[in-house]
Amino acid sequence: DTAVSQTPKYLVTQMGNDKSIKCEQNLGHDTMYWYKQDSKKFLKIMFSYNNKELIINETVPNRFSPKSPDKAHLNLHINSLELGDSAVYFCASSQAAYGYTFGSGTRLTVV
Amino acid sequence: DQQVKQNSPSLSVQEGRISILNCDYTNSMFDYFLWYKKYPAEGPTFLISISSIKDKNEDGRFTVFLNKSAKHLSLHIVPSQPGDSAVYFCAASTSGTYKYIFGTGTRLKVLA
Repeated sequence: DTAVSQTPKYLVTQMGNDKSIKCEQNLGHDTMYWYKQDSKKFLKIMFSYNNKELIINETVPNRFSPKSPDKAHLNLHINSLELGDSAVYFCASSQAAYGYTFGSGTRLTVV
Repeated sequence: DQQVKQNSPSLSVQEGRISILNCDYTNSMFDYFLWYKKYPAEGPTFLISISSIKDKNEDGRFTVFLNKSAKHLSLHIVPSQPGDSAVYFCAASTSGTYKYIFGTGTRLKVLA
């Protein structure tokens, strides 16, 4: 009964591949997010969807494409993976704008 | 341009003593602040929040203080326990924007 679950937990893949990370929340929240934590431990927002509508789209390469089939799901698809994409990606959700519930993260390693 | 800064990457405190974690911000439009705690291989978990209309919020052993004029907030943990050992992130937002800016975290180690 995990509140925000993301899969897979670990992902190792070769440069140039396309991969997806899935996120689901069962909290009934109306907003979902993707954050990236890089090697310097910065947690930076990438995208946010509110009721399936994109509301935040930070300066992220367009190789990254979020998809929200419904308000409980926000998936992240990454095309043509590069070494610099290696990071931990966190999904989160919130009701309105008051604080997030995070998933446990997906560690992506591009080799 | 890092709008939220945690200048101490690590802090060690003896069990039972007070832990004080600091956070500075530069954007005067921020009006809602959060502290998160993160254990290895887990996502950050919400700890405590404060809005800019208050200067203090308390929840059990955790108290957050906000000094708007100095653009500074701090998290006090009293008494510190070994289970508090984790990385603590502060985050700031402007109401209604849905976007939180995170600091880089402070690793707290509570020594038994």
